[in-house]
Amino acid sequence: EPEVTQTPSHQVTQMGQEVILRCVPISNHLYFYWYRQILGQKVEFLVSFYNNEISEKSEIFDDQFSVERPDGSNFTLKIRSTKLEDSAMYFCASSQLLSSNQPQHFGDGTRLSIL
Amino acid sequence: GQNIDQPTEMTATEGAIVQINCTYQTSGFNGLFWYQQHAGEAPTFLSYNVLDGLEEKGRFSSFLSRSKGYSYLLLKELQMKDSASYLCAVTDSNYQLIWGAGTKLIIKP
Repeated sequence: EPEVTQTPSHQVTQMGQEVILRCVPISNHLYFYWYRQILGQKVEFLVSFYNNEISEKSEIFDDQFSVERPDGSNFTLKIRSTKLEDSAMYFCASSQLLSSNQPQHFGDGTRLSIL
Repeated sequence: GQNIDQPTEMTATEGAIVQINCTYQTSGFNGLFWYQQHAGEAPTFLSYNVLDGLEEKGRFSSFLSRSKGYSYLLLKELQMKDSASYLCAVTDSNYQLIWGAGTKLIIKP
């Protein structure tokens, strides 16, 4: 069964540095998402992406964050000038259509640790 | 504001049945999802409801009442591997998934 893949599985970075989290969505999916989950807390929506542009973003997704689809397969989340509070699991997800009955399929996540 | 409420934690016995409730208040409604999340892992899709009533999938069933803003996930014949968090999520009018905080289900032998 096709799946969403994320790399790296764990990223450790010094505060103030930039990180790029990478995702390869399922190949025939058109909608891509990034979520964040701080340890022990709920899943939080960051951003959705369709047709090479952001379609929705949350209050969390400020100027520190950016997303890009640099080629036909990768979908990246860049976090500039990282802060301690950016430490979390970051999940990428994709769905085939923007339809209410289309579940989002999640990657295994990247655990980001800011020191 | 948008709000989804679930119990924080529940405990049940192996072989038994458990019902996890979810109530929601969102700007628009385009469906409700239940996801399972084991500790340190990604959420995995369990079920979807958009019309009132019960959807059954093997040991798992999910119910929806749109007029009450209420859903439940019913797990039968509980197994130890069912120990996980169960996340209720609602698709709002912008097709954005709004997540509950999850219910941690502990299964005891």
